[in-house]
Amino acid sequence: SQKIEQNSEALNIQEGKTATLTCNYTNYSPAYLQWYRQDPGRGPVFLLLIRENEKEKRKERLKVTFDTTLKQSLFHITASQPADSATYLCASNPGGATNKLIFGTGTLLAVQP
Amino acid sequence: NAGVTQTPKFQVLKTGQSMTLQCAQDMNHEYMSWYRQDPGMGLRLIHYSVGAGITDQGEVPNGYNVSRSTTEDFPLRLLSAAPSQTSVYFCASSTASGTYEQYFGPGTRLTVT
Repeated sequence: SQKIEQNSEALNIQEGKTATLTCNYTNYSPAYLQWYRQDPGRGPVFLLLIRENEKEKRKERLKVTFDTTLKQSLFHITASQPADSATYLCASNPGGATNKLIFGTGTLLAVQP
Repeated sequence: NAGVTQTPKFQVLKTGQSMTLQCAQDMNHEYMSWYRQDPGMGLRLIHYSVGAGITDQGEVPNGYNVSRSTTEDFPLRLLSAAPSQTSVYFCASSTASGTYEQYFGPGTRLTVT
């Protein structure tokens, strides 16, 4: 079956360092991948989308890559801050209706001051 | 512009009771979806709609009904609540093009005893 997998272990890093989160997909070829941020007790908030024909996408301190050979997307936050602490979710469309998404379980990022 | 609103925020039901979770959006989005989020499982799609009068099943539709009589509203009905339906429920809306960004509501925390 189609799956998205994210590292379920929390990622702890020091303020100012670059955080790198991984999203792997299996048994399908997504047309795009999305990344969301979720804070405790709130709904996810969209951050970035990267399409299959794009290698890299940037937005301020965020960078997303898409490697169709490795079936993987990497999400980077440069110059991380304690305010970046949250759970980050990867999502993609496995086919069919364009808003029919599957989500990874998310990776909790904790940025220590 | 309120975005996506959900009511109630919290609900406790007894096994066998029925209820409707309300969802409304004021962004004129074609697409709307319902997800449930459980620890270790991530967000799973219950039902979705690509427009008024059109609905389809997601990954975990059993025990839930939806209807879409207007563009704005997409209620989720639990027909006969079961403890396995204890979860946090999120409604989301998105456009039919562009980044397919999903806008999520604040969620409903449901406990079935």
